[in-house]
Amino acid sequence: DTGVSQNPRHKITKRGQNVTFRCDPISEHNRLYWYRQTLGQGPEFLTYFQNEAQLEKSRLLSDRFSAERPKGSFSTLEIQRTEQGDSAMYLCASSTGLLTDTQYFGPGTRLTVL
Amino acid sequence: TQLLEQSPQFLSIQEGENLTVYCNSSSVFSSLQWYRQEPGEGPVLLVTVVTGGEVKKLKRLTFQFGDARKDSSLHITAAQPGDTGLYLCAGGPQTSGSRLTFGEGTQLTVNP
Repeated sequence: DTGVSQNPRHKITKRGQNVTFRCDPISEHNRLYWYRQTLGQGPEFLTYFQNEAQLEKSRLLSDRFSAERPKGSFSTLEIQRTEQGDSAMYLCASSTGLLTDTQYFGPGTRLTVL
Repeated sequence: TQLLEQSPQFLSIQEGENLTVYCNSSSVFSSLQWYRQEPGEGPVLLVTVVTGGEVKKLKRLTFQFGDARKDSSLHITAAQPGDTGLYLCAGGPQTSGSRLTFGEGTQLTVNP
């Protein structure tokens, strides 16, 4: 059973550096989501894709953040010029796109910006 | 803006006790999902409820979706230390697809 996978699991970087995370969704799922979770909070929506099209972006997604899903399969989330406030768990989820749209989450990438 | 409020935020109980976690909103959701999350891991789906008044049971866990699809509850019977974790409720939007709105979570600790 291949669930949602994310790489790397942990990333430590210095302030000002760029980082990129990868998400591989469940193979037959055409929707892919990115969320951010800080300590003690529930996940917050960042953006989602229907196949390769990015259909919605949260106001949390500043211009330093960019996400792509070039072939409608895996996705990348890049953060440029990282800030300490970017430290969080970045979660990816995928779904089939039906109305009930149950989303299945990956293990997350824990980002620490020093 | 759809908001979900979970209560209690923290719960520490002894093994064998029962507990209920609540998830409330003023908004109507198309579906309601409950997840459990362990430290350093992503949320793991427990159940999806879609029909107002729906009750689903998963071993010692009972989930209920309110009649108006604005609230939900999770009841655990005879809690065990293995139930320890962060329980998250998440509401699906009225329109097709798109974001889940999460509550802040309930951190449950079951002491042996």
